[in-house]
Amino acid sequence: NAGVMQNPRHLVRRRGQEARLRCSPMKGHSHVYWYRQLPEEGLKFMVYLQKENIIDESGMPKERFSAEFPKEGPSILRIQQVVRGDSAAYFCASSAEGRYGYTFGSGTRLTVV
Amino acid sequence: RKEVEQDPGPFNVPEGATVAFNCTYSNSASQSFFWYRQDCRKEPKLLMSVYSSGNEDGRFTAQLNRASQYISLLIRDSKLSDSATYLCVVHASGGSYIPTFGRGTSLIVHP
Repeated sequence: NAGVMQNPRHLVRRRGQEARLRCSPMKGHSHVYWYRQLPEEGLKFMVYLQKENIIDESGMPKERFSAEFPKEGPSILRIQQVVRGDSAAYFCASSAEGRYGYTFGSGTRLTVV
Repeated sequence: RKEVEQDPGPFNVPEGATVAFNCTYSNSASQSFFWYRQDCRKEPKLLMSVYSSGNEDGRFTAQLNRASQYISLLIRDSKLSDSATYLCVVHASGGSYIPTFGRGTSLIVHP
């Protein structure tokens, strides 16, 4: 399967725990974008990464959220000390050159209880 | 003013109808435009790119009006399977090429 792979599909965390969301881009894609979607709302940009570099993190909350895209392995979005308001669908998209159509993964639905 | 604005709808139309959505953008430096489709609880999927001269793909036609800073999507002969949320995506030039999504327009096609 050459698509964008996200895992887990569903993640349940208690308040205060850590959540780790993984995204493997399409083969040949080196640009990764993370978006958050709250129920009944649009996609909100969080962070844009290329291999080993954060290009733009203007959409990331200043605390508790971090992202990386190491040389080897998937991109990781990490949320520390989760709160109920973090419950959302988190989508990852990848592209080849950062300006043409994007392919999305199926998303990770995070529920904080 | 929001960067990318869409009427959230819902647009409720019968099968066979023609329906059009508009999307306005605020950044005049925007260069690339797309329409995506998102089904309930699924990921967005690229429907079509929008070119300056306008483009058509079967029952779908996309137009770009740079002077007024809006793009449109026209769906002819609506099918039940067209029911979804349609997202407008705009890309500005320069910087880091972050695609900006509108909130989406909900379409419901009924028998």
